[in-house]
Amino acid sequence: DTAVSQTPKYLVTQMGNDKSIKCEQNLGHDTMYWYKQDSKKFLKIMFSYNNKELIINETVPNRFSPKSPDKAHLNLHINSLELGDSAVYFCASSRGLAGRDGTQYFGPGTRLLVL
Amino acid sequence: AQKVTQAQTEISVVEKEDVTLDCVYETRDTTYYLFWYKQPPSGELVFLIRRNSFDEQNEISGRYSWNFQKSTSSFNFTITASQVVDSAVYFCALKPGNNRKLIWGLGTSLAVNP
Repeated sequence: DTAVSQTPKYLVTQMGNDKSIKCEQNLGHDTMYWYKQDSKKFLKIMFSYNNKELIINETVPNRFSPKSPDKAHLNLHINSLELGDSAVYFCASSRGLAGRDGTQYFGPGTRLLVL
Repeated sequence: AQKVTQAQTEISVVEKEDVTLDCVYETRDTTYYLFWYKQPPSGELVFLIRRNSFDEQNEISGRYSWNFQKSTSSFNFTITASQVVDSAVYFCALKPGNNRKLIWGLGTSLAVNP
C-alpha cells in the first residue's frame, strides 16, 4: 500500500564510508526527486529524474550520485561521507513536471547520521 | 524574484483555539500552483492541498481551511478548534509556470498544547 517508500529509515555510519539510500514508488509516476532537509527543517532539492532522465541537478557535492534504474526507482549513493551530510533525505515523486501533475508525494525520509 | 515567506517561525496555541498560518508568495508568472504540506513530529511530509492561480475559491476540509488571495499574494491556512494532533511543521510551497522546482517556505512550527 505504501506509495513512496525509502530504505533504510535510519542510517548511522562513520565518516569516510560510502552508503546508498533506495527509493521506490508504486504510484505510476514519471518523476522522482531527492531532497535534503537540514536540522533547521530547510528543504533543499538535490536531484530529479523524469522517465529516467536527470532533469534537476542542483549544486551538491559530486560525492552524491543519483541513479534511476527505472521510472519507479531512484537511488542515492553517497561517497566519502562527511559530518555535514547528516540530515534527513526525502524521496518524492510526481505524475509529471508541470501543473497539477507536479504535485509531489513524499517518502517517509531517511535519517542519516555521520559520526 | 520567486519566493515564499512564512513569517511565523513558531506558533503556540491551546487546544480548541483557532490558528492561522500565513504564507506570502512572490512570482511574476501568471500561472502557478501553491501547496501546503504538513510534517508531524514523526517526520514524514504529508501533502495537504494544491491550488492553482486561476482558482481563488477558498477551500475547506474538515477543520482545515485555506484562503487564497491574489491581491495580497497570500495563501493562508487556518485550523479551527485546533487539536494536539495538529502539532507539526507546516510548509507552504510555490511552483511557478513551467518551473520544474518547488520553491519552499521555511516552515511554521505549530505547537498545540492540551
